[in-house]
Amino acid sequence: DQQVKQNSPSLSVQEGRISILNCDYTNSMFDYFLWYKKYPAEGPTFLISISSIKDKNEDGRFTVFLNKSAKHLSLHIVPSQPGDSAVYFCAASAGGGQGGKLIFGQGTELSVKP
Amino acid sequence: NAGVTQTPKFRILKIGQSMTLQCTQDMNHNYMYWYRQDPGMGLKLIYYSVGAGITDKGEVPNGYNVSRSTTEDFPLRLELAAPSQTSVYFCASSSGVYNEQFFGPGTRLTVL
Repeated sequence: DQQVKQNSPSLSVQEGRISILNCDYTNSMFDYFLWYKKYPAEGPTFLISISSIKDKNEDGRFTVFLNKSAKHLSLHIVPSQPGDSAVYFCAASAGGGQGGKLIFGQGTELSVKP
Repeated sequence: NAGVTQTPKFRILKIGQSMTLQCTQDMNHNYMYWYRQDPGMGLKLIYYSVGAGITDKGEVPNGYNVSRSTTEDFPLRLELAAPSQTSVYFCASSSGVYNEQFFGPGTRLTVL
């Protein structure tokens, strides 16, 4: 039972354009969502997060949108840069009662072409 | 400040052998986690700890054991290695349940 799904295994965009990565979840108990970025042979690094009480969080070029009724979140990267090429993981947590443990999606590999 | 460190980086085991994956963090975080990542998949939680002396199972705990005797260290033990345990293992730590998790560089394990 995949509670967090990223249905696009890969995405290719042109430098300077917008990248939109999508994530769906099924568990309504999730109250905290995060995006991680991963380069080959390295551990994931935190990118941006959003609490379930918000519908948008912005940090520089990165914006995360949360639609609770649709159980959907998305990560927007504007403008996209070649250095953004990596695998992006969406993750969700049910917070305090679950020790902060994360459930990850399968990942989307983003390729930004110059 | 090294963050989260993991040793070894790579290891090849024979079926039935045992080994311990080491994880140390120097950020004084109470929360620590072990994940595995199989090819083309997301990370799955094996075990986690909310403080020294306290551990609990994650999604895929079978075949593994953990201990947490200090705040800094959270070793993962494989007792009888099986080919299904071939994976990349990541350790992570966090200062709180609603805070980001910091990940180590990973250990690539192959069981033949």
